[in-house]
Amino acid sequence: DAGVTQSPTHLIKTRGQQVTLRCSPKSGHDTVSWYQQALGQGPQFIFQYYEEEERQRGNFPDRFSGHQYPNYSSELNVNALLLGDSALYLCASSWGVTMNTGELFFGEGSRLTVL
Amino acid sequence: LAKTTQPISMDSYEGQEVNITCSHNNIATNDYITWYQQFPSQGPRFIIQGYKTKVTNEVASLFIPADRKSSTLSLPRVSLSDTAVYYCLVGDMNSSASKIIFGSGTRLSIRP
Repeated sequence: DAGVTQSPTHLIKTRGQQVTLRCSPKSGHDTVSWYQQALGQGPQFIFQYYEEEERQRGNFPDRFSGHQYPNYSSELNVNALLLGDSALYLCASSWGVTMNTGELFFGEGSRLTVL
Repeated sequence: LAKTTQPISMDSYEGQEVNITCSHNNIATNDYITWYQQFPSQGPRFIIQGYKTKVTNEVASLFIPADRKSSTLSLPRVSLSDTAVYYCLVGDMNSSASKIIFGSGTRLSIRP
């Protein structure tokens, strides 16, 4: 049973560029949440996708957007990259829009470095 | 969602028992207490969850006093591989993702 998979694992971009990160949820899960984790900080909620729609959003600008496909996989897009966007981006999958706090399954993340 | 407070960091030695305490003074009646563990460059993973008194699994124990305003994660006989960041979360069985707050966690360092 595959867990949550994310790609790429590492990438380097320059300011102003755009990036797309990908996530495949754990088998049986239909909901994907994205988090940004800066160095030394806890994960910060970006947004959640369920039934191919953004259902909830954290305090992130419109430069952060996403998509969910019929097979439940998801993408996170960040436009006009800033140095401050350098972080570990985590994808977590779950079943349903609401959940037990213990039911988040995380991938290993995509480490983005913006130069 | 109830705010949690944890120590920023802790140090211990291999073979010792480590107790990490989390304060959650405003915990609601329906809230559970959940702990996650995160190794460097990996996503957090669930360790243990409880509502009251004591919960034990193969990894850890969770102690929750009667007033539920705090909880203690206990790791028995730690090893170097227990070096990680530990997050305490509080929420009910139907939390929305936007309300699941991780905070900065407790950075546990285990020495030989």
